[in-house]
Amino acid sequence: ELKVEQNPLFLSMQEGKNYTIYCNYSTTSDRLYWYRQDPGKSLESLFVLLSNGAVKQEGRLMASLDTKARLSTLHITAAVHDLSATYFCAVNFMDSNYQLIWGAGTKLIIKP
Amino acid sequence: SAVISQKPSRDICQRGTSLTIQCQVDSQVTMMFWYRQQPGQSLTLIATANQGSEATYESGFVIDKFPISRPNLTFSTLTVSNMSPEDSSIYLCSVPGLLSEQYFGPGTRLTVT
Repeated sequence: ELKVEQNPLFLSMQEGKNYTIYCNYSTTSDRLYWYRQDPGKSLESLFVLLSNGAVKQEGRLMASLDTKARLSTLHITAAVHDLSATYFCAVNFMDSNYQLIWGAGTKLIIKP
Repeated sequence: SAVISQKPSRDICQRGTSLTIQCQVDSQVTMMFWYRQQPGQSLTLIATANQGSEATYESGFVIDKFPISRPNLTFSTLTVSNMSPEDSSIYLCSVPGLLSEQYFGPGTRLTVT
C-alpha cells in the first residue's frame, strides 16, 4: 500500500526554538515535496527533493531526503511566528502518473 | 510555474442542489487534478482529468456525484451534485509541473446547509 506518514501531526513551540518534522513513506520513490498551507488558503510549494541526499534550504526551513531510509525531514531553525502553518509532505511514487500521495499534515503553531 | 484561478472562491449551498466549480490555467496542460480537503484534513484526490478523455475517478468518488468536464487544455469544471452537509469542504484543482510537483488553485470553500 502506498502510504505517507508525517509526525508529529501537531506541534506547538516557542519562537527561537529548533524542531524537525518527519515524513516517512512506504515504498520506492525519489521525488518528495513539501508544501505549506496557511489557514483558509491554498497550498504553496516549498521544496522539491529529487534524489537521495538532496538538501534544500530557504530561510529558516531546511528539507532533506534519504531515499534509502524512505525518510524526509523538514527542519525549522530559530522558529518565528510567521512560520505558523500546516506543512504537508507528498510523494510521487514510481509509475504513479504524476499523482502525489499526501501525508496528513503537521499543524505548526509558534508562540511569540 | 502555472497560474491557476478558481471560481467561485466560496459558496454556501442548500442540501440537494449542485454547484459547478471552474478551474482556469494560464498555460496548456494535459493533466489536471481535482482534490477535496475536509476541515482539518489532508488532501484527497477526487479525479484526474485529461483533455480528450473521460476523467479517472479515485476509489470512493463516482461520476454521477462529481461530474467533470475538460473541454480544452486550459479549463476544467467539477460539479458537486445533490449536495449534503458532508460535502462541505475546500475543493482544489491542480496541475503538474516539470518535476511532478503540483501547482494549486486558490480553492473553493463550499458550505452545505
